[in-house]
Amino acid sequence: KAGVTQTPRYLIKTRGQQVTLSCSPISGHRSVSWYQQTPGQGLQFLFEYFSETQRNKGNFPGRFSGRQFSNSRSEMNVSTLELGDSALYLCASSQRVLDTQYFGPGTRLTVL
Amino acid sequence: EDQVTQSPEALRLQEGESSSLNCSYTVSGLRGLFWYRQDPGKGPEFLFTLYSAGEEKEKERLKATLTKKESFLHITAPKPEDSATYLCAVAPNDYKLSFGAGTTVTVRA
Repeated sequence: KAGVTQTPRYLIKTRGQQVTLSCSPISGHRSVSWYQQTPGQGLQFLFEYFSETQRNKGNFPGRFSGRQFSNSRSEMNVSTLELGDSALYLCASSQRVLDTQYFGPGTRLTVL
Repeated sequence: EDQVTQSPEALRLQEGESSSLNCSYTVSGLRGLFWYRQDPGKGPEFLFTLYSAGEEKEKERLKATLTKKESFLHITAPKPEDSATYLCAVAPNDYKLSFGAGTTVTVRA
């Protein structure tokens, strides 16, 4: 079974721009979660989607948003990028809410 | 607020030298505790899920245990390929996973 895939793998943007990251979950998985990983803050929960509905949200500003499509694929968007948004963004999928989450390779975002 | 503390921050081992990593937590209603392994520049790789105190899981040279306040990841006779950062995460009632900062393990041949 193919694992979680994320595109693009690397991205360089400048301050003020916006970015969209994509995640394809493991086939059959309906829950998708997003995380931000930085050296200083570690792994932090952004939000979780299940059946196209946002079920949970972490403590991030409204510039961070996401959505999930009917095929369970998910996208997250960051608007008005700041230097502090530079991070590894990780997507994880699970069959159902409360199941073990499996992570993708991440998208490395650099904001200049 | 949910808290996860991992110790030590870093661990240097000689090949074959067994050791343990600690994950202590405070959480409102534990739904599960997870161990992941992360290699540099990659996403975390799932290792174990533990649901209740007293539970143990094993996989090759790794064994995870859980009490009401902490979890241990025991590495028996490690090899250089066991070098990685090991992450612990807890799922409270609302299932917003909280991760610890990780323990970076280096195994020398």
